[in-house]
Amino acid sequence: SQKIEQNSEALNIQEGKTATLTCNYTNYSPAYLQWYRQDPGRGPVFLLLIRENEKEKRKERLKVTFDTTLKQSLFHITASQPADSATYLCALADNNDMRFGAGTRLTVKP
Amino acid sequence: DTEVTQTPKHLVMGMTNKKSLKCEQHMGHRAMYWYKQKAKKPPELMFVYSYEKLSINESVPSRFSPECPNSSLLNLHLHALQPEDSALYLCASSQDWTANYGYTFGSGTRLTVV
Repeated sequence: SQKIEQNSEALNIQEGKTATLTCNYTNYSPAYLQWYRQDPGRGPVFLLLIRENEKEKRKERLKVTFDTTLKQSLFHITASQPADSATYLCALADNNDMRFGAGTRLTVKP
Repeated sequence: DTEVTQTPKHLVMGMTNKKSLKCEQHMGHRAMYWYKQKAKKPPELMFVYSYEKLSINESVPSRFSPECPNSSLLNLHLHALQPEDSALYLCASSQDWTANYGYTFGSGTRLTVV
């Protein structure tokens, strides 16, 4: 069966450090993989999209990698801040119906 | 306008009621979606509309009935819901249905069925 697994349910780090979140998938062949941020009681907010032929994508303090051989994406937040505390969801689509991983709840402590 | 607007923000309804959730976007997006999210779970896809036609129905019970009156509006009609249907209902839109674009989500409707 198809699975999207975000290995850590929760991640606590100190302000200023780099947060690294993992997304693994099984039985998908996605052309794109996306990352979202969700705050409690709010809808997800789109952060980054990476295509299967791209190894890495950056946006300000965010970096995403996509390894289609390992079937894995890594999401990095450098110089993390308490305001980065949220749940981060990876999402990918097969046949154009996008599915989400369970998310990793990131807490950045001052 | 870069937003997806959902109304109402909160809704409490009885199991015999009929209600509707509304979603609106004016970004010219041609794909619109309904997702259901339970607490501490990821959003689950319910319906996909592409160019105002229903493209995906994820085996959702018939007590949920979607409608896309035009390219800017998406409704979800609710009838005879069960308490387990209580959840956050999220509407989203994207430029098209290829997952090549990020989705813009609304803030959701928090639905409680009593």
